[in-house]
Amino acid sequence: GAGVSQSPSNKVTEKGKDVELRCDPISGHTALYWYRQSLGQGLEFLIYFQGNSAPDKSGLPSDRFSAERTGGSVSTLTIQRTQQEDSAVYLCASAPRWLGGGGTEAFFGQGTRLTVV
Amino acid sequence: DAKTTQPNSMESNEEEPVHLPCNHSTISGTDYIHWYRQLPSQGPEYVIHGLTSNVNNRMASLAIAEDRKSSTLILHRATLRDAAVYYCIPGSSNTGKLIFGQGTTLQVKP
Repeated sequence: GAGVSQSPSNKVTEKGKDVELRCDPISGHTALYWYRQSLGQGLEFLIYFQGNSAPDKSGLPSDRFSAERTGGSVSTLTIQRTQQEDSAVYLCASAPRWLGGGGTEAFFGQGTRLTVV
Repeated sequence: DAKTTQPNSMESNEEEPVHLPCNHSTISGTDYIHWYRQLPSQGPEYVIHGLTSNVNNRMASLAIAEDRKSSTLILHRATLRDAAVYYCIPGSSNTGKLIFGQGTTLQVKP
């Protein structure tokens, strides 16, 4: 079946513009995670959803970042007034259930490469 | 969240076994140990996970120390395609987050 799909795969935007990044998780997966990876760095946790709720937003870098999930499915990560330091690959992952229970795996998309010029 | 220590890099020859170590001395008793890997220009992919017993799957084996303070990912016959960054991640039973460290960059020589 289809894996986690992210769009666009690449996005170039001007500093100060808003961008929306989309994640389509695997059907039926209740948990959804957003990470970002700056060039040559490890993955940085941003936010996770259980259903449509976001119990943990602790990784969002600033109030310019927000995310929502509707219908327990598609999620959108929005970055307002983009800055050059926002340039990174933004990765989405979904899992059949909350990872805290253990015993399950997360499936990652290929990411959206965001470049702010 | 439990802290992990992994070597920054390792090298292996093709078709030889590779043992990738990880120390996670602060892991709690209910946290699973997960391993993911990230091939160049791709998103991470799941490799294996375990709690207390050693685990095997088609990709790898996971050997967990009896005190659970360390584990070793074993690739039985490395291939060029196994060149990747390997992340050892103690799962957090409190938060449900996977927190990625810097991982081990594995180079496989032909």
